[in-house]
Amino acid sequence: DSGVTQTPKHLITATGQRVTLRCSPRSGDLSVYWYQQSLDQGLQFLIQYYNGEERAKGNILERFSAQQFPDLHSELNLSSLELGDSALYFCASSVTSNQPQHFGDGTRLSIL
Amino acid sequence: AQSVAQPEDQVNVAEGNPLTVKCTYSVSGNPYLFWYVQYPNRGLQFLLKYITGDNLVKGSYGFEAEFNKSQTSFHLKKPSALVSDSALYFCAVRENNNNDMRFGAGTRLTVKP
Repeated sequence: DSGVTQTPKHLITATGQRVTLRCSPRSGDLSVYWYQQSLDQGLQFLIQYYNGEERAKGNILERFSAQQFPDLHSELNLSSLELGDSALYFCASSVTSNQPQHFGDGTRLSIL
Repeated sequence: AQSVAQPEDQVNVAEGNPLTVKCTYSVSGNPYLFWYVQYPNRGLQFLLKYITGDNLVKGSYGFEAEFNKSQTSFHLKKPSALVSDSALYFCAVRENNNNDMRFGAGTRLTVKP
């Protein structure tokens, strides 16, 4: 058990909709990272937050946004969903950016 | 920007034989290198890391990796493979002044009995 909790585990929705994915980091970890894993794109870094502030941005679409709350949990918001957004979305956390990241088991998003 | 390459999509080995999963990287500064393993329907699990120091790094489950600066490589190795080692392996790199971690495309390791 990595200590990182992601909810929900599965999410099925339709094109054009909006969803929110939630992540609770390991106790004591200040950094939270979001990744998208798909068969054709591999594992793509989306965004990182550190203690509530955005720290790094990767290949995140403008339709996607994230935030980290004072209790350090994080949410990834995906809007105007398209078929191509179907993927596994992982959250990871670490104490600092130099330390290994610990991954949750992901949210599988299916767009119908 | 940093990048990482895993030249093999798939590696097949027989149980008991040594295994190597290859990784090469490109950074402009000092590299922070990581190996992760992913089992079906699970998140990635940390195996080992290199930041500085000894070029041979020992990690979880009997895995080790050798940092080679001249060849910009960080190959994952294990002396004797187990069937339970079958999984997807990811190499990752981060520059010491950059918070963006880049993952390779992954190598699927299959260990046959």
